[in-house]
Amino acid sequence: QLQLRESGPGLVKPSETLSLTCTVSGDSISSRSYYWGWIRQPPGKGLEWIGSIYFSGSTYYNPSLNSRVTILVDTSKNQFSLRLTSVTRADTGLYYCARHGIAASGPSLNDWGQGHLVTVSS
Amino acid sequence: DIQMTQSPSSLSASVGDRVTITCRASQDISNYLNWYQQKPGKAPKLLIYAASSLQSGVPSRFSGSGSGTDFTLTISSLQPEDFATYYCQQSYSTPRLAFGGGTKVEIK
Repeated sequence: QLQLRESGPGLVKPSETLSLTCTVSGDSISSRSYYWGWIRQPPGKGLEWIGSIYFSGSTYYNPSLNSRVTILVDTSKNQFSLRLTSVTRADTGLYYCARHGIAASGPSLNDWGQGHLVTVSS
Repeated sequence: DIQMTQSPSSLSASVGDRVTITCRASQDISNYLNWYQQKPGKAPKLLIYAASSLQSGVPSRFSGSGSGTDFTLTISSLQPEDFATYYCQQSYSTPRLAFGGGTKVEIK
C-alpha cells in the first residue's frame, strides 16, 4: 500500500529557506505512470498546487511561486523534496506531498501524505 | 494559466438535502476535472475524476457532471459524514494543476 510521509522543520524564520522531504513507500518513485507533487494550505484557506516532478527530474512549478521553488527527486532513496526560499508569514501552512497520474483523464491526486505544518515566525 | 472558480464558497444544508456545487474554468478544459472532499485536519480525498467518474469506494450519492468550462458536483441526499469542504481541480494542463477556492458544506 502506497504511503507518503512529509518530514522537515516545523518552524522557519522569515527570509530563510523552507525544506521538506517526502518519503515514498509501497511504490517506486521511478514509476513512469505518476508525477510527485507538493500542495500547500494556509490556515483556514484553500489548496494551492506548488509544483510537481517526474522521476526523470523534469519539474513543473506554479508560476506564482516559480522564482522561489525547487523540487528535486532522489530515486535511490525513493524521496522527493521541496525547497522554498525567502519565506514570509504568508508561507505558513500545511504542506502535503502527493502522487498524481500522468493522464489528464485519469484519477488525479489520489494519494496524499498526512501533511506537515510549517510556521514562518521569528 | 487556468483559473478555477467555485460557488458558493459556503452553504448550509440539512441531512437528506440535495446539494449542488459548481465549478467554472477560465478556459475549455474538456472533462479534465476532479472533485475532492476535505475534512478538518485531514488530507483531501478524491471523489470524482474526469468530471463524472466515481472513484472506487466513493458512495453513489456523489455525482459529477459537466464539460468545457462548467461543472457540477451533486450530493443527492446529504449524510452527516458529508459535512466537509469540497474542491474542484483541473487536470487539463497536467502536470500543472489548479484548484478552485473550495465550498464549505455546513449543517443548517
